[in-house]
Amino acid sequence: GAVVSQHPSWVICKSGTSVKIECRSLDFQATTMFWYRQFPKQSLMLMATSNEGSKATYEQGVEKDKFLINHASLTLSTLTVTSAHPEDSSFYICSARIGQGVQPQHFGDGTRLSIL
Amino acid sequence: KNQVEQSPQSLIILEGKNCTLQCNYTVSPFSNLRWYKQDTGRGPVSLTIMTFSENTKSNGRYTATLDADTKQSSLHITASQLSDSASYICVAGAGSYQLTFGKGTKLSVIP
Repeated sequence: GAVVSQHPSWVICKSGTSVKIECRSLDFQATTMFWYRQFPKQSLMLMATSNEGSKATYEQGVEKDKFLINHASLTLSTLTVTSAHPEDSSFYICSARIGQGVQPQHFGDGTRLSIL
Repeated sequence: KNQVEQSPQSLIILEGKNCTLQCNYTVSPFSNLRWYKQDTGRGPVSLTIMTFSENTKSNGRYTATLDADTKQSSLHITASQLSDSASYICVAGAGSYQLTFGKGTKLSVIP
C-alpha cells in the first residue's frame, strides 16, 4: 500500500520549454504533498508543500512563478517548470503524506529533467 | 540552522557482513528521526521512524537507534545482501512535517 506514482520518469527538452510533472497517490488520499529537488550527491531540498484545494507554500528562494504547483484533488498534484533553462536540470521528487502528525512520507520514483 | 550530517559518505562491505551508519543532527524543535533507503534513480523508501522518546526501532535486518541527548542516530544493517546496495538517508523532523535531509551514505555490498 501507500504507492505514489510520478510521471514522467525522464524528460529531455529544449531551453524555454515548459514541463509538467504529475504526482499521484494510487491507493490513498494524500492530505499533503511535497515537491523536492535533488542535485547529484546532494540531499533532497524541499521546494514547496501543497494541500488539496489551497495554494502551495514555497520554501525561501524557490520562485513560485517559475515552479507552478497545482493540487486539484486528494490524489493528484502537478509541478510545472515554466520556461525551463539548463540550470533547472535536476531530479524532482514528490512525496505524499496521509493525515497529520508524525507520519511516513511516501515518495514517488522521481523525474529526471534535462534541459538542453 | 537545521542540519543533518552523515558518516561515512560511502562504504563498501562484503556480502553477509554487518555495518553501522552514523547520523548527527541539529534540528529544533526536534520531533522525529527517520531513515530512508534510496536506490539510484529512485525515490526514497522509508525504513524506520522514531519519535524523540524512542531509543530503537527495527525493520527486518535494519535497526535504528536514537540518542536525543547527544543528537545522534545510527542505522545497523545485519547480514548484508547485494540488494542492500543503495544510499541511506537520515532525516530529522521538526514539528509535524518539517524535514531536514542528510546527503546520505552510499553503501556498496560486494560478493
